[in-house]
Amino acid sequence: SQTIHQWPATLVQPVGSPLSLECTVEGTSNPNLYWYRQAAGRGLQLLFYSVGIGQISSEVPQNLSASRPQDRQFILSSKKLLLSDSGFYLCAWSGGTVSSGANVLTFGAGSRLTVL
Amino acid sequence: DAKTTQPPSMDCAEGRAANLPCNHSTISGNEYVYWYRQIHSQGPQYIIHGLKNNETNEMASLIITEDRKSSTLILPHATLRDTAVYYCIVRVGYGGATNKLIFGTGTLLAVQP
Repeated sequence: SQTIHQWPATLVQPVGSPLSLECTVEGTSNPNLYWYRQAAGRGLQLLFYSVGIGQISSEVPQNLSASRPQDRQFILSSKKLLLSDSGFYLCAWSGGTVSSGANVLTFGAGSRLTVL
Repeated sequence: DAKTTQPPSMDCAEGRAANLPCNHSTISGNEYVYWYRQIHSQGPQYIIHGLKNNETNEMASLIITEDRKSSTLILPHATLRDTAVYYCIVRVGYGGATNKLIFGTGTLLAVQP
C-alpha cells in the first residue's frame, strides 16, 4: 500500500532563517506531488505541483521554492523566511496515469511552521 | 475550473443523516465531483467522487442531480468524529498537470451530541 511521510511535524523558525520541509511517498512510482499551505483560519492554497523529477510548477509567486530530486521525494524550501510564511504545510500525492476519477489526492499529516 | 458554492456551516445531530449541498452550475461534461474533508489540524481526507451516477462507499453517499449542476454528500449516521470542514471540488479526471485540485472554503459541519 502507498504511504506518504512528511517532516518535520512542527517547526519554529526565526524570520530570515532558511526552511526545508521534506515529503516522501512509498509504494507507488511516478506520482504527481503537491505542496499546499493553509494559513490560520484560512483555506488550502496550492503552492507547487510536480508531474516528474525536476518538473515543478508554481501556482503563486512567493518566498518559497520546491524541488523534486527523486521520483518520490518533494522538498519545499526557503532561503529567508518571512512572518507571512507561517502556516500548515501539506504534501499530497496522486496517481500520474489516466484512470477513472484520477484526481484522488492523499495528504500527509502536515508540517506546522511558526515564523517568529 | 468550474467553481463550487457551499454553505459556510451546518449543524447536525449525532446519529442523524448529514446532508451537505454543493452547487456547481458551470460544471463541464468531463468534470468529476470530488468530496474531501479536513478534521481540525489534519490533512484533508478523500471521501468520494462521481461523474453522473450516484455513488456510495463505506464513508458516504454522493447524489448528483440529473443536470449535474448540484450534488449532495450524505453521511448516513453522523458521529462526533465527523465534525470537519467538507470540501466539494469539480475537476477533470485526468492525470498529469491537470491533476491539481483547488480547494474552496468548504462547509464546516458541526455534529452536536
